[in-house]
Amino acid sequence: EAQVTQNPRYLITVTGKKLTVTCSQNMNHEYMSWYRQDPGLGLRQIYYSMNVEVTDKGDVPEGYKVSRKEKRNFPLILESPSPNQTSLYFCASSLTGTPNEQFFGPGTRLTVL
Amino acid sequence: QKEVEQNSGPLSVPEGAIASLNCTYSDRGSQSFFWYRQYSGKSPELIMFIYSNGDKEDGRFTAQLNKASQYVSLLIRDSQPSDSATYLCAVQGGKLIFGQGTELSVKP
Repeated sequence: EAQVTQNPRYLITVTGKKLTVTCSQNMNHEYMSWYRQDPGLGLRQIYYSMNVEVTDKGDVPEGYKVSRKEKRNFPLILESPSPNQTSLYFCASSLTGTPNEQFFGPGTRLTVL
Repeated sequence: QKEVEQNSGPLSVPEGAIASLNCTYSDRGSQSFFWYRQYSGKSPELIMFIYSNGDKEDGRFTAQLNKASQYVSLLIRDSQPSDSATYLCAVQGGKLIFGQGTELSVKP
């Protein structure tokens, strides 16, 4: 089954404790991205990757890191999480970056205390 | 001014009625326009996209685009309770920008 998976789905952590949210897709997609969703603000792009070893900042990259060592995986790293990073995070992938073929993962709800 | 703005909602319509969801955008160079549906606790799913001025119909859904007025709308005919969700408008110029979403509730 074609899908984008994220782990963990739910995470409660404390300020400053490094964490990684994994994202994996099995569709051989070249384009992957991370979004955060907050009430009243919609989806905002954090980082995206056009291909392996190619990553670029989205609209709200501060406080986040990503890597793309393999085509299928695009982990999101929070080196020192803060409460303002409490949010719902979505990973997405598409073959070429075109939104009309973009698949979203199930989401990760992160709470930073 | 937000780059992409939607009705604040929530929007409540009776079953069988037409639901009208509106979206305005600020970047005149925007080329592609998308509507996503997001059920509570789920991820967004694309339901319509439109590139040219005018209407585009797909089943009960019609997307309308007016580039001169910088708005795009989604009409849902014969609304069903299963249409109750948050609808996200997204606009692509150089990058894809999402609106904040409009919550739709269809009452039986």
